[in-house]
Amino acid sequence: SQWGEENLQALSIQEGEDVTMNCSYKTYTTVVQWYRQKSGKGPALIILIRSNEREKRSGRLRATLDTSSQSSSLSITGTLATDTAVYFCATGTGGLSGKLTFGEGTQVTVIS
Amino acid sequence: EAAVTQSPRSKVAVTGGKVTLSCHQTNNHDYMYWYRQDTGHGLRLIHYSYVADSTEKGDIPDGYKASRPSQENFSLILELASLSQTAVYFCASSAGGSYAEQFFGPGTRLTVL
Repeated sequence: SQWGEENLQALSIQEGEDVTMNCSYKTYTTVVQWYRQKSGKGPALIILIRSNEREKRSGRLRATLDTSSQSSSLSITGTLATDTAVYFCATGTGGLSGKLTFGEGTQVTVIS
Repeated sequence: EAAVTQSPRSKVAVTGGKVTLSCHQTNNHDYMYWYRQDTGHGLRLIHYSYVADSTEKGDIPDGYKASRPSQENFSLILELASLSQTAVYFCASSAGGSYAEQFFGPGTRLTVL
């Protein structure tokens, strides 16, 4: 498998709190993309971090990437009820195909 | 206006029957993908295509065929549907390349009885 055992998890938090989720991968990657999937919808990209970047921010989102430990994290600050979703990390190994390998995902439930 | 659409949105099929899932994109993207998602799990790549009339196998192609008759359209075909193929199927498109975002359709929920 591409992924470590810790990728499958569920988190329940109060609105306004911060949350961090992690994923680890086993093979070489040039990029980690984080997708959010709301109930009944298709996934949508929320942040992308390249292998030559250690950190990337976008609004309330912060992604980190440590290629030496082959792990990435996604943090959301000041969560809202609308952040309730499943969050997936996906890795790409380069090449024109743009193929991605998705992790199992983290279910985040924000309680208002 | 939705850029990746799928039809049908839901389907019930019988074991051994033929199922065709359709995907249409207006992103003008060269690459299109088919994934399956089982309850509580991530997405797994079945087939993908980078040009009309050509398809490539993904990570779990067994039991599935794909067809790309045009840049905009990509179909997934289950010739002999089986119980194990009950899942939600997603189509996506991208411009290709390592850093390209994939744009997903709303999914098709397939139940095989």
